[in-house]
Parts: sequence; C-alpha cells; structure tokens
Amino acid sequence: EAQVTQNPRYLITVTGKKLTVTCSQNMNHEYMSWYRQDPGLGLRQIYYSMNVEVTDKGDVPEGYKVSRKEKRNFPLILESPSPNQTSLYFCASSLGSYNSPLHFGNGTRLTVT
Amino acid sequence: AQSVSQHNHHVILSEAASLELGCNYSYGGTVNLFWYVQYPGQHLQLLLKYFSGDPLVKGIKGFEAEFIKSKFSFNLRKPSVQWSDTAEYFCAVIGSSNTGKLIFGQGTTLQVKP
Repeated sequence: EAQVTQNPRYLITVTGKKLTVTCSQNMNHEYMSWYRQDPGLGLRQIYYSMNVEVTDKGDVPEGYKVSRKEKRNFPLILESPSPNQTSLYFCASSLGSYNSPLHFGNGTRLTVT
Repeated sequence: AQSVSQHNHHVILSEAASLELGCNYSYGGTVNLFWYVQYPGQHLQLLLKYFSGDPLVKGIKGFEAEFIKSKFSFNLRKPSVQWSDTAEYFCAVIGSSNTGKLIFGQGTTLQVKP
C-alpha cells in the first residue's frame, strides 16, 4: 500500500531534549516536506527536499533540522526543543513536479513541556 | 510574497444546505491550486486540484471548485452537504516559479449538523 509513515504518532518531551521524528515513503517520490499545523494558522512549511541531498528552508525553519540521505526517508530533528514547538507535525511527499499533489502521513503530535 | 487567504474560519451548516468556502491567493505568475480535506483525527487528503484548462474542476464526494483568474480566487462548493463532510478544509497554492513551496491557507472548519 502506498503510504507516508511517520513515527511516533504522539510524543511528550521536555525542553532541550533532542528528538527525531521519522518519515518514510514507499512511493519512490522525489519531493518530501515537513509541515506544522497550529490552530488558526493552517499548515506552515518547515523544510522541504526536492531530491536526495537537496533540502531547503520553508517558512518556519528555525529550531529544526532535516536530512535526506536516501530517497525514502526525511527525518525531522529538533536539537533543543522548546514549548513553542508544541504542535501537530505532518510529513508529505509527491512525485516532485509542481503539479503533483501531496500525500500526507498521519501526523505526529508533539508536546514540549 | 505568495499567500493564501481563506475567509471563513468556522462554518456551521445543516445537512442538505449548500456550501461555498472562499479562497483567495496572492501570486503574480502561473499557479496550481488545491483543496485538501482533513477529517477529524486524520491526515490531509486531496479533494481536488486545478492545473489548467476548464476552470471548473470536480473532485471527490461531489465537491467542485472554480478558478477565477481575474479575482485570484478558487472557491470550493458543494450543492448539498452531508454530516460526513464535517472536517477542516484547506486551500493551497504553488507557483510555477517556486516549485518547492506549497502554501496553505489557514483552514476552514466545517461543521454539518444532522
């Protein structure tokens, strides 16, 4: 089954404790992206990747890192999480051309205390 | 800068009522437009998309949207909503010269009362 898999689904952590949210897709998509969803703000793009070893900042990249060492995986890293990073995070992928719709993962709800 | 604005943040309708959700975008060039739906507790799913051609596009579950270039709008419509349409709806835009950045609107929460 074609899908985007995120783990974990729920995560509660404390300020400053490094964490990684994994994202994997099995559709051989070139494009992958991370979004955060906050009430009243919709989805805001954190980082995106057009292909392996190619990553770029979205609209809200501060406090986040990503890597794209292989096509299927695009982990989101929070080196030193802070409470303002409490949010619902979605990973998404697409074929890569600008008219390809996104396929979303099920989301990761992160709480930083 | 590219932006998307959804006018209605929260809409409450009774079953069988007609729906129209507004979406306006700001971008100077060619765009592709999308509507995504997020059912409670689920991830976003594509509802419909516009790339070119007929400005009236039809999507899944009886939804349609009309692209009006002169108004920079891409409003979502459904003639008769059902309780199962209760969800959050997002308009999204990507510009032809900005292939990596898909910009989402703030979202509209639709509540359909049985």
